[in-house]
Amino acid sequence: QKEVEQNSGPLSVPEGAIASLNCTYSDRGSQSFFWYRQYSGKSPELIMFIYSNGDKEDGRFTAQLNKASQYVSLLIRDSQPSDSATYLCAVHLSGYSTLTFGKGTMLLVSP
Amino acid sequence: GAVVSQHPSRVICKSGTSVKIECRSLDFQATTMFWYRQFPKQSLMLMATSNEGSKATYEQGVEKDKFLINHASLTLSTLTVTSAHPEDSSFYICSATYRGPSTDTQYFGPGTRLTVL
Repeated sequence: QKEVEQNSGPLSVPEGAIASLNCTYSDRGSQSFFWYRQYSGKSPELIMFIYSNGDKEDGRFTAQLNKASQYVSLLIRDSQPSDSATYLCAVHLSGYSTLTFGKGTMLLVSP
Repeated sequence: GAVVSQHPSRVICKSGTSVKIECRSLDFQATTMFWYRQFPKQSLMLMATSNEGSKATYEQGVEKDKFLINHASLTLSTLTVTSAHPEDSSFYICSATYRGPSTDTQYFGPGTRLTVL
């Protein structure tokens, strides 16, 4: 059973702070890891993906992958109220076309 | 970037009618598309995997005769909800796989909100 676990939250941070979102996965054969953002009533939008151990930065977002510990995280620097959304972690297992999604973490950024 | 469209964005229909939802990849070809359903405040639920030129693969518990999927071309997949009932009211979202140089990435359409009266 392939599982992706996220804390449902809500994770509350003040505006300007760093928000840290975490995700663990069960299958060591997982190859690629994705973070999506979903606003209430909207469809998910891709933030970034990572497939190598270490950090990957894109603007205010940094994805971190540690395959040995089977976790991937997303850091959001200088959090803004507009970042308030549910963040979905998704994992792609080699040989499978589907993504396995976590249930998402709700982030609330207060002004 | 890779863009996926869906049409219609919102549909209201009477119980017993059929509704067709289109999903298009606008600037790339997608051999694989996916259909999801999401109820309010719940997680995405994968309904089926749609492969161009072949039959869709449905997830356990999803009725293939009720949710007809046709992947007619590399840029178009359709979902038809047949004989819709109020319990089919939901947010239906498609996604398409973009084959990048380093990994395959799923891009989502904007979703279709179905209300069955």
